Amino acid sequence: QVQLAQSGAEVKKPGASVKVSCKASGYTFTGYYMHWVRQAPGQGLEWMGWINPNSGGTNYAQKFQGRVTMTRDTSISTAYMELRRLRSDDTAVYYCAREPIAVAGPFDPWGQGTLVTVSS
Amino acid sequence: EIVLTQSPGTLSLSPGERATLSCRASQSVSSSYLAWYQQKPGQAPRLLIYGASSRATGIPDRFSGSGSGTDFTLTISRLEPEDFAVYYCQRYGSSPYTFGQGTKLEIK
Repeated sequence: QVQLAQSGAEVKKPGASVKVSCKASGYTFTGYYMHWVRQAPGQGLEWMGWINPNSGGTNYAQKFQGRVTMTRDTSISTAYMELRRLRSDDTAVYYCAREPIAVAGPFDPWGQGTLVTVSS
Repeated sequence: EIVLTQSPGTLSLSPGERATLSCRASQSVSSSYLAWYQQKPGQAPRLLIYGASSRATGIPDRFSGSGSGTDFTLTISRLEPEDFAVYYCQRYGSSPYTFGQGTKLEIK
């Protein structure tokens, strides 16, 4: 079945970087955008951007431009999200989720989430 | 950017009752690219409804979606204990993808 398996929790200091991975299985990795969405504690969902695993093209939310980089390794069906210059308000659960490339579709499924804690 | 506003913020109902959740968009959502997700504590969101009214695979038929343009509704016909959760609407298909702020459905 389709699954997105994310890397484990991270604790980082302010100013550091974090790189979260999302390994896809059960479908053709290059046929779906991989989106990244985050959720701060007790808050709602915030879209960060997507990567097209086929072309490597990216589209970032304006809020994160200059601080986020999304990449992929098609040989192992894995997408990555790196966030730099971390601040305390970047503390959140980070999710990956796929969307079909050929036709617009909802996010389904989602990864299990990766908690990133930014604290000095 | 299309802003999605969900109401109410919290809805208190009892099992067996009918729940009606609203999602209003600041501009028309093209081709009904509107989805609903359910999120339980400690879990990732789960897709319920896409295309405003199509149920995702495995979603019980007590969940239904309706609406077009700027006004959308998620209805749960008879609440089961496992339905108490937070629900988000989302506009998809083009950037920026946006979510509503969520409606918490709690047991009365």
